[in-house]
Amino acid sequence: QVQLQQSGPGLVKPSQTLSLTCAISGDSVSSKSAAWNWVRQSPGGGLEWLGRTYYRSKWYSEYAVSVKGRITINSDTSKNQFSLHLNSVTPEDSAVYYCAKVADRYFQQWGQGTLVTVSS
Amino acid sequence: QSVLTQPPSVSAAPGQKITISCSGSNSNIGNDYVSWYQQFPGAVPRLLIYDNDKRPSGIPDRFSGSKSGTSATLAITGLQTGDEADYHCATWDRSLTAQVFGGGTKLTVL
Repeated sequence: QVQLQQSGPGLVKPSQTLSLTCAISGDSVSSKSAAWNWVRQSPGGGLEWLGRTYYRSKWYSEYAVSVKGRITINSDTSKNQFSLHLNSVTPEDSAVYYCAKVADRYFQQWGQGTLVTVSS
Repeated sequence: QSVLTQPPSVSAAPGQKITISCSGSNSNIGNDYVSWYQQFPGAVPRLLIYDNDKRPSGIPDRFSGSKSGTSATLAITGLQTGDEADYHCATWDRSLTAQVFGGGTKLTVL
């Protein structure tokens, strides 16, 4: 049973960097059949995909146009986890952030979600 | 604005049937599989349908999915008050090289 455990601060100041980590159990971040994603949801809003990282003989990362240039998703194989870094945040980045595993073309497992508020 | 278009809300009485549409284009729904997720307030999304029309184990057969061209549909029969939730469609967009979602549909069981 794959489990994803998120960690990171719930409050970030404007212009700073939002950083969250997703620890994986029951699978490997280096799996060649999975992709490791970050998704967010603004209050009362829909789901917004932010990006993903995955390993296929080498590491790849892909990002949504809406956050490209501000986002980095990377992996730590020694800790079997992956992380989200979103810089220059504004109050519009306040949302619930989820990490999620995609395999076989759908989201198979989600983290518990982290409410992040951008405020001074 | 979401790449996939869903109605913001649907409603029906207990026992009835509803359908939720998810409209896209040739770069997304027209060329990849669609999945559907159910989300209760304050909860994590739960997989309902994958590969257009397949149900994971544990999902009642009251829930079904279909796809035709650039649109997909989620149907729920025998509505129950416990079905009140938000429903989201998702697929991959090959032009954007991105996962895309619908805006979500709020189901109210009157």
